[in-house]
Amino acid sequence: DGGITQSPKYLFRKEGQNVTLSCEQNLNHDAMYWYRQDPGQGLRLIYYSQIVNDFQKGDIAEGYSVSREKKESFPLTVTSAQKNPTAFYLCASSGTYGGYTFGSGTRLTVV
Amino acid sequence: SQQGEEDPQALSIQEGENATMNCSYKTSINNLQWYRQNSGRGLVHLILIRSNEREKHSGRLRVTLDTSKKSSSLLITASRAADTASYFCATDASNNNDMRFGAGTRLTVKP
Repeated sequence: DGGITQSPKYLFRKEGQNVTLSCEQNLNHDAMYWYRQDPGQGLRLIYYSQIVNDFQKGDIAEGYSVSREKKESFPLTVTSAQKNPTAFYLCASSGTYGGYTFGSGTRLTVV
Repeated sequence: SQQGEEDPQALSIQEGENATMNCSYKTSINNLQWYRQNSGRGLVHLILIRSNEREKHSGRLRVTLDTSKKSSSLLITASRAADTASYFCATDASNNNDMRFGAGTRLTVKP
């Protein structure tokens, strides 16, 4: 079945460490997105990519990096420069219809 | 920056009652979407309404859009306990292809 897969489901990061969150889709969608959600809050856009080898910063890109080398994959790296990385991270993709398909999320905790 | 803002922040009703949630936004849009999120999960796309549409139905869901007031409402009729979730509206500004989400309405349907 088509969908978006995020891994891992839970991730623990030590202070000063970089970690990478995986997002893979088999929906043949051109656009992919990363959002951050804090407890009881809405979603804030980190980065998005409309096409392979191109991506744009969202509202809270500082301390994060992405790549889009393949249409199916849009990994997010949380760098040591992100001072408050504990959050729920959601990846999404969209095709021509416009509605977003979301993954099931990765919960990142700093230990 | 968040584009959509939902109201109320929380809503508690009895099973069988109708639930109405509102969304206001600030800039011109191409479309407005409503999503549902169960606790700790990804978002699920419910309905998309384009800027030239005024009302849309999907099962027990009814969405209205008033572009002159920059507002939308989501009505869930004959609510069920399984409708308990957070509901988010999302908009894409006419000059952007990325969606911005509000903080959501937390709906509790009591059996």
